[in-house]
Amino acid sequence: AQRVTQPEKLLSVFKGAPVELKCNYSYSGSPELFWYVQYSRQRLQLLLRHISRESIKGFTADLNKGETSFHLKKPFAQEEDSAMYYCALSYPPGGFKTIFGAGTRLFVKA
Amino acid sequence: DVKVTQSSRYLVKRTGEKVFLECVQDMDHENMFWYRQDPGLGLRLIYFSYDVKMKEKGDIPEGYSVSREKKERFSLILESASTNQTSMYLCASSFFRGRVQNTGELFFGEGSRLTVL
Repeated sequence: AQRVTQPEKLLSVFKGAPVELKCNYSYSGSPELFWYVQYSRQRLQLLLRHISRESIKGFTADLNKGETSFHLKKPFAQEEDSAMYYCALSYPPGGFKTIFGAGTRLFVKA
Repeated sequence: DVKVTQSSRYLVKRTGEKVFLECVQDMDHENMFWYRQDPGLGLRLIYFSYDVKMKEKGDIPEGYSVSREKKERFSLILESASTNQTSMYLCASSFFRGRVQNTGELFFGEGSRLTVL
């Protein structure tokens, strides 16, 4: 069955430190993967998608099909990065069902 | 800007009451979704719809039904609310995959926090 796993419920780092939010997925076909972010008192919004290979707000994520992972990384965390982050898998190709992981809350301390 | 509007931000209902959650989007999206968001469980898909009068069950449809009479509106119905349905409900929409504008991105409403007593 399709599944998205985010093993860390909470991640706390100091400002300026590197951060990595882990995401593993289970899907037999070609996945479409996304990271969504929810800042305090704001709606959930797209952060980035693997297919565009872009960097948003300094975050990047690389799809590793061998390890079935899509970890989110940023070399230098900022306080404004504190938020809830969700990894999401959309399937099947050409379809539109999207499932989410349990989420990781990131705290960036001054 | 895409706008997904959920009619009620906060609701308090009693066990056994019928509850309607309304969602409207203004971007001509074909797809609409209802999720519930719970701490430690993330977002779980309840129902989705890819066209007017069309609906598909998600991963946790039990105790819920939906209605899509117009393209822009997708309603979630709790026929007889129970305390375990206390949650944050999120509506989302997106373009159909066949459309040029589609990127796979979901656009979310602000959420409806339902408390069932």
